[in-house]
Amino acid sequence: QQPVQSPQAVILREGEDAVINCSSSKALYSVHWYRQKHGEAPVFLMILLKGGEQKGHEKISASFNEKKQQSSLYLTASQLSYSGTYFCGTEAAGNKLTFGGGTRVLVKP
Amino acid sequence: EAGVTQFPSHSVIEKGQTVTLRCDPISGHDNLYWYRRVMGKEIKFLLHFVKESKQDESGMPNNRFLAERTGGTYSTLKVQPAELEDSGVYFCASSRRSSPGFSYNEQFFGPGTRLTVL
Repeated sequence: QQPVQSPQAVILREGEDAVINCSSSKALYSVHWYRQKHGEAPVFLMILLKGGEQKGHEKISASFNEKKQQSSLYLTASQLSYSGTYFCGTEAAGNKLTFGGGTRVLVKP
Repeated sequence: EAGVTQFPSHSVIEKGQTVTLRCDPISGHDNLYWYRRVMGKEIKFLLHFVKESKQDESGMPNNRFLAERTGGTYSTLKVQPAELEDSGVYFCASSRRSSPGFSYNEQFFGPGTRLTVL
């Protein structure tokens, strides 16, 4: 079952903050975040592991609540380059990722 | 290091024809994945190779899809015969060898092959 992402879309002004949420009904080993720009490959941003370890990227950070099987991605002081579609991918078992429906982010000047 | 590459970037075929997509993973990556994104929907897992072995093919839609990874290097995904609902973007991703249990499984994606079946 795919994780649920919210919101589906968000519009920001440059410098503003935003939070993207990802919820799963399964017990997870890890949560992965990707950003995809139109016509390009999804680019890896973050991985959050069961147990609390995480790796960040620039001014993007994330959290993983293991009890709730929820992850949040924080876009801080957003830049124009942050525009794109953000996907969370959850890993329950077997290394394969199950992706959410995506969140479209548009950062305006 | 070179990234994941996929060929072709676009393919337009008619219903009933055959198409073969190719993926070259990052050198040394044992894990290779195929995903598909149908327009407007989420990216869906198709299958996972560890070297040349199929680890998980639970996402393959039906027996019209055949994936191979001879020698554990590049992989091909053949659709025969293609149907209208097969249209979408097919992504390949690769990652380093997994450690026992679960892994820090950063998957590197290729640019995708956009398949249109008319």
